Amino acid sequence: AQKVTQAQTEISVVEKEDVTLDCVYETRDTTYYLFWYKQPPSGELVFLIRRNSFDEQNEISGRYSWNFQKSTSSFNFTITASQVVDSAVYFCALIRRAGNMLTFGGGTRLMVKP
Amino acid sequence: EAGVAQSPRYKIIEKRQSVAFWCNPISGHATLYWYQQILGQGPKLLIQFQNNGVVDDSQLPKDRFSAERLKGVDSTLKIQPAKLEDSAVYLCASSPILHSYEQYFGPGTRLTVT
Repeated sequence: AQKVTQAQTEISVVEKEDVTLDCVYETRDTTYYLFWYKQPPSGELVFLIRRNSFDEQNEISGRYSWNFQKSTSSFNFTITASQVVDSAVYFCALIRRAGNMLTFGGGTRLMVKP
Repeated sequence: EAGVAQSPRYKIIEKRQSVAFWCNPISGHATLYWYQQILGQGPKLLIQFQNNGVVDDSQLPKDRFSAERLKGVDSTLKIQPAKLEDSAVYLCASSPILHSYEQYFGPGTRLTVT
């Protein structure tokens, strides 16, 4: 069975602060994929990143960065210099190799105040 | 490229009534998913189609939910009769091929059952 836990249900920061969203997962598979999605108020899930279990290299994309640590089963997401437009619910998700079901965490609501 | 289209965006019904949701995936995408997202939770897969065949419907409450994708393009999800606990956002997603790991989500249909 797979499980994704996002312990932070809600985070509030002031614009320009850095913020890290935590994600911890459980799986018995050795090959799997991890994702982060953003869900703005409009409701659509927007794909941010996919990482496979064999690639532990951290990734940076503009103000976004991701820290994958297999040893602690964590895949954390950091937003640097947050902006009001970053306000949304962020979901971490996992899918096994050759699987079809994305298992989502409960989501973290990020509120960035001006 | 047009995204995943869903209608209606909002629906309010009374319990025991019936309701249907429609989804049109991205053109050419063979795989289509329906997810249920209860308020404050991550999306949960209900059913997955590959062309017009069902790949996985293990989490679909078949006593009241049904779905079809007759021509392998658009899809309809039906609830009959609805219960209060069916209040949720119903998300449709599509991907180019089975196991592509890239799922593109529509805006969802928010259902309120009173």
